[in-house]
Amino acid sequence: QVQLVQSGAEVKKPGASVKVSCKASGYTFTSYDINWVRQATGQGLEWMGWMNPNSGNTGYAQKFQGRVTMTRNTSISTAYMELSSLRSEDTAVYYCARGTGDYEGGGWFDPWGQGTLVTVSS
Amino acid sequence: DIQMTQSPSSLSASVGDRVTITCRASQSISSYLNWYQQKPGKAPKLLIYAASSLQSGVPSRFSGSGSGTDFTLTISSLQPEDFATYYCQQSYSTLHTFGQGTKLEIK
Repeated sequence: QVQLVQSGAEVKKPGASVKVSCKASGYTFTSYDINWVRQATGQGLEWMGWMNPNSGNTGYAQKFQGRVTMTRNTSISTAYMELSSLRSEDTAVYYCARGTGDYEGGGWFDPWGQGTLVTVSS
Repeated sequence: DIQMTQSPSSLSASVGDRVTITCRASQSISSYLNWYQQKPGKAPKLLIYAASSLQSGVPSRFSGSGSGTDFTLTISSLQPEDFATYYCQQSYSTLHTFGQGTKLEIK
């Protein structure tokens, strides 16, 4: 079955970077975008950006421009999201989700990974 | 960016009730509107895509409608497992945005 499995929880200090992985299985990794969405405790969903695993093209939310980098390793069907200059407000669960659209960057999200808790604390 | 506004933010209802949640876009997004359900501690789950298409495996009591700027998610007869938070998402722009969510609680 189509599945996205994310890396485990992380604890980081302010100013550091975090890199979260998302391993895809059950489908051709390069045929669908990977999106990243985060959710602070008790808050709503916040879209961060998308990446086309085939071309490597990306699209980021303006809020995260300059701080986020989305990459991939096609040989192991894994996408990565790196967020730098972490601050306490970045404490959240980070999800990857497959984009299912007929154009780059478009479509709905299905399925989702299980989520990775990133805690930023001194 | 396209802003998505859901109403209400929270809603109390009983098992068997018919419930409607509204999502409004700040500009026309055609039918590029998707709905998700999220239960506590779990990842969101796709319910409806392209405004009115039911995702495979989702019960038929869920339905979506609308186009342009105004959209609705309807649950025809609430079941105990439907109490959750619901989000709309626009995919008209490749800079996706979500509504703030509607928490559906048991009355």
